[in-house]
Amino acid sequence: EAGVAQSPRYKIIEKRQSVAFWCNPISGHATLYWYQQILGQGPKLLIQFQNNGVVDDSQLPKDRFSAERLKGVDSTLKIQPAKLEDSAVYLCASSVLGGTAFFGQGTRLTVV
Amino acid sequence: GDSVTQMEGPVTLSEEAFLTINCTYTATGYPSLFWYVQYPGEGLQLLLKATKADDKGSNKGFEATYRKETTSFHLEKGSVQVSDSAVYFCALSDRMNTGFQKLVFGTGTRLLVSP
Repeated sequence: EAGVAQSPRYKIIEKRQSVAFWCNPISGHATLYWYQQILGQGPKLLIQFQNNGVVDDSQLPKDRFSAERLKGVDSTLKIQPAKLEDSAVYLCASSVLGGTAFFGQGTRLTVV
Repeated sequence: GDSVTQMEGPVTLSEEAFLTINCTYTATGYPSLFWYVQYPGEGLQLLLKATKADDKGSNKGFEATYRKETTSFHLEKGSVQVSDSAVYFCALSDRMNTGFQKLVFGTGTRLLVSP
């Protein structure tokens, strides 16, 4: 069974630029999560989707971050404009409703 | 709100030593509890889980028991190997007001095992 796919693996951008990350969840998983993991910290939930609807985005900095899951399958997370403090690993995970979350390898973002 | 507290690392052990990584939680409901492991350069992998009080999760020689009375889920292994060197995250999954599950992580504990 294929796992959660994320791309790119690494991205370096200058502050004030924009960036987008892509995630393809495990087939059949209706729940999709985006987490931000700053170096030395635990993952922090940014947004959670159930199919193509948002169920929790309380910690998403909405002035610069946006995410969509238009067809209820893959998802895109965007940052515009990026700040230095956005340097982190962005993790995507998916699960069946109420099930265990499975994670992708993450995208490491460096903002210079 | 829900939260998870883990012991700070790094935890440094010699091969074949006994491992304990402490984890306590705060939750409004009856959460499921998890340990995830992150090897260098990789994503999070589920190590083990427990879904109700007194359940014991186990995998690859690691085990943890869901203790409701002490709100704890400590990770243990009888004999660690160099290959166990990684960062270990304790997490809980609790039902939100929306009816959906929310997964909350601790800050992680780095384990370093030397030969």
